[in-house]
Amino acid sequence: QKEVEQNSGPLSVPEGAIASLNCTYSDRVSQSFFWYRQYSGKSPELIMSIYSNGDKEDGRFTAQLNKASQYVSLLIRDSQPSDSATYLCAGPMNTGFQKLVFGTGTRLLVSP
Amino acid sequence: GAVVSQHPSWVICKSGTSVKIECRSLDFQATTMFWYRQFPKQSLMLMATSNEGSKATYEQGVEKDKFLINHASLTLSTLTVTSAHPEDSSFYICSARGGLAGNTGELFFGEGSRLTVL
Repeated sequence: QKEVEQNSGPLSVPEGAIASLNCTYSDRVSQSFFWYRQYSGKSPELIMSIYSNGDKEDGRFTAQLNKASQYVSLLIRDSQPSDSATYLCAGPMNTGFQKLVFGTGTRLLVSP
Repeated sequence: GAVVSQHPSWVICKSGTSVKIECRSLDFQATTMFWYRQFPKQSLMLMATSNEGSKATYEQGVEKDKFLINHASLTLSTLTVTSAHPEDSSFYICSARGGLAGNTGELFFGEGSRLTVL
């Protein structure tokens, strides 16, 4: 099993809908997670971080962490075409807090 | 968030030449920086961890003699791709943890440097 796994997509949603992006992780990953957004040809941009079980909300974004199921998700409410990008889930390896490993990313397409 | 800047943003070079990419933390000191590489439609792959004042730690499969990393100050790390070949063409991205975020794990990325080797 890879350390961090994501469905590559694309995930297509209409404008205004809720987009749900999911990520699972292995025992080799410490239980704090980060969601990055990457537009084509650009470097990743941090959207959310979550360290505790449960939900964390920031504007239209909600991150959810379920440590028992080793599952983390990102919900985007009222999706906009400008949200169309690749979303990367990342977590630090247990071997040291320094190294962050990334999932392959999920491509989100929001249609007008 | 913290600001990390890379230069150049893109470079085209001939096969066999060496290319240097700079990564700077603009508003904080970074004892550790990370170099990633990303091929088209693939995720970020960590190449090496750059440590200020000491040798870089390379990931398995990454040639340390080909990808030279120097982290001579708390705000600057450089990656030199030596004797570049077309298969080295990629998007190289550096990152660092910002100041107070040092204990939280958040990474901030530079703009990336797109290398094309002819």
